[in-house]
Amino acid sequence: NAGVTQTPKFRVLKTGQSMTLLCAQDMNHEYMYWYRQDPGMGLRLIHYSVGEGTTAKGEVPDGYNVSRLKKQNFLLGLESAAPSQTSVYFCASKSGYSGNTIYFGEGSWLTVV
Amino acid sequence: EDQVTQSPEALRLQEGESSSLNCSYTVSGLRGLFWYRQDPGKGPEFLFTLYSAGEEKEKERLKATLTKKESFLHITAPKPEDSATYLCAGLANQAGTALIFGKGTTLSVSS
Repeated sequence: NAGVTQTPKFRVLKTGQSMTLLCAQDMNHEYMYWYRQDPGMGLRLIHYSVGEGTTAKGEVPDGYNVSRLKKQNFLLGLESAAPSQTSVYFCASKSGYSGNTIYFGEGSWLTVV
Repeated sequence: EDQVTQSPEALRLQEGESSSLNCSYTVSGLRGLFWYRQDPGKGPEFLFTLYSAGEEKEKERLKATLTKKESFLHITAPKPEDSATYLCAGLANQAGTALIFGKGTTLSVSS
């Protein structure tokens, strides 16, 4: 029962470094999402994808890029990390055909120093 | 603007002391109202989806209800293992169909 898998789980970056978070789902879901969760702010949508090869901006997209080259994978990139991007990142996915339940991964903890 | 507001931010209960968590929403063309449970260091875990006013769903000691403006998560005779953050989210009727989350209610149940 893999569901939604995120890698890495923990990462420390220096300001200005780049990195990519990988999200993989094995449920053949069409929709995939990246959220960030910060204390007192709740979960906020960064980017999302409604299908392979498509991406769109969410509520807080600045400083992030995404790609959905394969249906099962959704990558979140930080080109030049900033301390304000220290957060917990959650990937989620949803089927476009059966129900509306959105399933979440276990999270990726990112610290930018 | 679509918005989901949860109250209270934190709730402390004694074991067996029933209570309710509130979620008020203004979400255009609401397609579903979701409740998730989140334990420290974990991702949100799906509990319920409610689709129309008057609908109720139950799972063990939890019961979720929905009106046209609010949803309630009723916790009956809670146990310490019910301690977690409970998240409410609305699914809007628009492209992308992403969830709009409230900030959550952190529940602590002591024995």
